[in-house]
Amino acid sequence: SQQGEEDPQALSIQEGENATMNCSYKTSINNLQWYRQNSGRGLVHLILIRSNEREKHSGRLRVTLDTSKKSSSLLITASRAADTASYFCATDEGYSTLTFGKGTMLLVSP
Amino acid sequence: EAGVAQSPRYKIIEKRQSVAFWCNPISGHATLYWYQQILGQGPKLLIQFQNNGVVDDSQLPKDRFSAERLKGVDSTLKIQPAKLEDSAVYLCASSFTRDSDEQFFGPGTRLTVL
Repeated sequence: SQQGEEDPQALSIQEGENATMNCSYKTSINNLQWYRQNSGRGLVHLILIRSNEREKHSGRLRVTLDTSKKSSSLLITASRAADTASYFCATDEGYSTLTFGKGTMLLVSP
Repeated sequence: EAGVAQSPRYKIIEKRQSVAFWCNPISGHATLYWYQQILGQGPKLLIQFQNNGVVDDSQLPKDRFSAERLKGVDSTLKIQPAKLEDSAVYLCASSFTRDSDEQFFGPGTRLTVL
């Protein structure tokens, strides 16, 4: 079963714009992670936010977590064509057992 | 540092045939994972190893899927017999320990069952 549900399913923006993706989940978590998957390739870890954290930054990425609403958002600022990929949230309920959502497909046009 | 290696990259088989996938994790990583990713969905954990022991195989269809990590390094995942619904990308990942924050994924094996 899949715990996280990303929204929107697909997002199309122009280079330089910001992209925001949301993730909702159902149960208590230890941490929430975001991964990126380029077409036909494996997943790459982007950022992790723990259940006691509310916001985290890494380069052009900003992640928020609201445990009361069981939701998270990923913001990519000043997007580039190379950011075109699918983005997945994954919840860790403990011992690195990750449950992934269905993902958001991001298309960044030059 | 070499990444997670998987082979083959692509495999096409007829239903009811058998298939095996191989994974070599990052050197020194004790924890190894196999995921199944069906087109349009996120990866689903099939099995997790800590060294050569299974710590979670609750979502592994054990009537047809098996996996082993005999020496605590590389691993094989086998499907016997394959069904049409097994068509998916099989991803292997590894992490330093079970408590590690990050899993490192291989490129995957794309299986098509005809």
